[in-house]
Amino acid sequence: SQKIEQNSEALNIQEGKTATLTCNYTNYSPAYLQWYRQDPGRGPVFLLLIRENEKEKRKERLKVTFDTTLKQSLFHITASQPADSATYLCALEGSSYKLIFGSGTRLLVRP
Amino acid sequence: NAGVTQTPKFQVLKTGQSMTLQCAQDMNHEYMSWYRQDPGMGLRLIHYSVGAGITDQGEVPNGYNVSRSTTEDFPLRLLSAAPSQTSVYFCASQRAGGLGELFFGEGSRLTVL
Repeated sequence: SQKIEQNSEALNIQEGKTATLTCNYTNYSPAYLQWYRQDPGRGPVFLLLIRENEKEKRKERLKVTFDTTLKQSLFHITASQPADSATYLCALEGSSYKLIFGSGTRLLVRP
Repeated sequence: NAGVTQTPKFQVLKTGQSMTLQCAQDMNHEYMSWYRQDPGMGLRLIHYSVGAGITDQGEVPNGYNVSRSTTEDFPLRLLSAAPSQTSVYFCASQRAGGLGELFFGEGSRLTVL
């Protein structure tokens, strides 16, 4: 069956360090993958989209990689700040018009 | 620019009651969808629409009904509420073509007693 896996345990890091979050998937061949940020009590907010033919995408302190052979995406936040503390969701195209989400990983950045 | 607006933000129902969660977007997006979010299970797609008059089922459609009479509005109806439908519901919209970011509303927290 199709599955998207994100680490359910919170990632706890020191301010200034690089946070790396993982998204693994099985039995999908997505044309693209997206990352969202969700704060408590709020709706998810789009961060980055990466297509299957792109290995890496950057936006300010954010970097996303997409390895279709490993079926994995890595999401990096460099020089992390306490304001980066949130839950990060990966999402990929399941089939036409259906974006399927992982359960998210909570990031805690300690001052 | 309001984006995606959901109402109500909170609702408590008794088992068997019906209600409608409202969703409106002012971005002229063709694609709209409803997700539910439960602890540890992520966002699960309930129903979606690729344009006015067109709707289709997502991953967990049972117990829910939708219609899309206008581009702007995409209401979600609970026909006979059950405790298993206690959840946070998110409406989202997307530009035409099914590619690109989803714009989410702030969510509607529903409790069914």
